[in-house]
Amino acid sequence: AQSVTQLDSQVPVFEEAPVELRCNYSSSVSVYLFWYVQYPNQGLQLLLKYLSGSTLVKGINGFEAEFNKSQTSFHLRKPSVHISDTAEYFCAVSDSRDDKIIFGKGTRLHILP
Amino acid sequence: DAGVIQSPRHEVTEMGQEVTLRCKPISGHDYLFWYRQTMMRGLELLIYFNNNVPIDDSGMPEDRFSAKMPNASFSTLKIQPSEPRDSAVYFCASTPDPQGGYWYGYTFGSGTRLTVV
Repeated sequence: AQSVTQLDSQVPVFEEAPVELRCNYSSSVSVYLFWYVQYPNQGLQLLLKYLSGSTLVKGINGFEAEFNKSQTSFHLRKPSVHISDTAEYFCAVSDSRDDKIIFGKGTRLHILP
Repeated sequence: DAGVIQSPRHEVTEMGQEVTLRCKPISGHDYLFWYRQTMMRGLELLIYFNNNVPIDDSGMPEDRFSAKMPNASFSTLKIQPSEPRDSAVYFCASTPDPQGGYWYGYTFGSGTRLTVV
């Protein structure tokens, strides 16, 4: 069965500093990987996805993520965060055998002034 | 398109009462998912439908929970009787794609915050 582990429940970072949110997954078959963002009192929105091809994928709002098959990771990065990036970020995985995705428990990103 | 529409946004009910949550997916989206979000358990998939047919309800906590999708534009999640531990935010999401919405991703509604007192 597939699973997703987000190693940090909360990440504080100063405004304009870089950030990395970590995600590891497990699956016995080829996977699709996603990052979703949830702003306060809203539903989740797709930030970016990895389906195949280039291991570095770029998403909205300046975020990018790198797929590393050997380390089964899909970490999310941004070179310079803004106060508007304050949100909860969810890593998710699906595979070719199933139509549902499994979400990690989320990482809260706190931007410090 | 107005997106995925959920109602009500907030619901406060007394223990033992019946609660019905509603969802209107985006037109043309064949897949509909119900999730529950709590601080302790994160996002849990309760059930999902494909072309109005329930495919996987293994996440439904117990018989008090039921979900229906009578047509392509409407789904309900019912809790009867409700209990305080059901308090959570319930999200509905839809997608036109299989395999986790691999191309377009999921579109989530704004959620229903349920409080059972």
